[in-house]
Amino acid sequence: KNQVEQSPQSLIILEGKNCTLQCNYTVSPFSNLRWYKQDTGRGPVSLTIMTFSENTKSNGRYTATLDADTKQSSLHITASQLSDSASYICVVSAYSGAGSYQLTFGKGTKLSVIP
Amino acid sequence: DAEITQSPRHKITETGRQVTLACHQTWNHNNMFWYRQDLGHGLRLIHYSYGVQDTNKGEVSDGYSVSRSNTEDLPLTLESAASSQTSVYFCASSSGFGHGYTFGSGTRLTVV
Repeated sequence: KNQVEQSPQSLIILEGKNCTLQCNYTVSPFSNLRWYKQDTGRGPVSLTIMTFSENTKSNGRYTATLDADTKQSSLHITASQLSDSASYICVVSAYSGAGSYQLTFGKGTKLSVIP
Repeated sequence: DAEITQSPRHKITETGRQVTLACHQTWNHNNMFWYRQDLGHGLRLIHYSYGVQDTNKGEVSDGYSVSRSNTEDLPLTLESAASSQTSVYFCASSSGFGHGYTFGSGTRLTVV
């Protein structure tokens, strides 16, 4: 069964500090991995997408890494801001044939940035 | 600007009633999806559609139905609402495989 596990479940950090969120997956056959940011009361918004051959990808203060061998990804947030307070969701896509694909969502990490 | 909108944002209904949640997108995306989000679970797929007249069941489809009569809309119907269907519902659309999803802002449904 395809699974995506995220850690930690929740995290509190001081404004200006860095943090790293983890995502481990057992999805096959792997196609891509996305990190989404979900603000309270809103829908998820895509931050990055990583394919099998990509190791690192940045989007401003967000840097995602992917190790396809160990099936692990991380999302590093640099110089955190209060607006980074949100849930971060790891989503892994697997191609299931005949033009269709299956997404497996992690439960998310709830990040709180405090002044 | 293109967008995806869900309505209503909040809904309270009684057990046994039929409820329809609306989803409308102006991205001209072929693929549309309905998810529910509950504490302790990741987003779970209810139904999805890859185009007009196409509908497919997701992992938690029991008690739900959808129809796709045009590209823009994928309404989600709860045939007979149950308390277990109290949740936040998200609609999403995508232009195709390998492309990201654009999510609506969600509908919070409470079944009493």
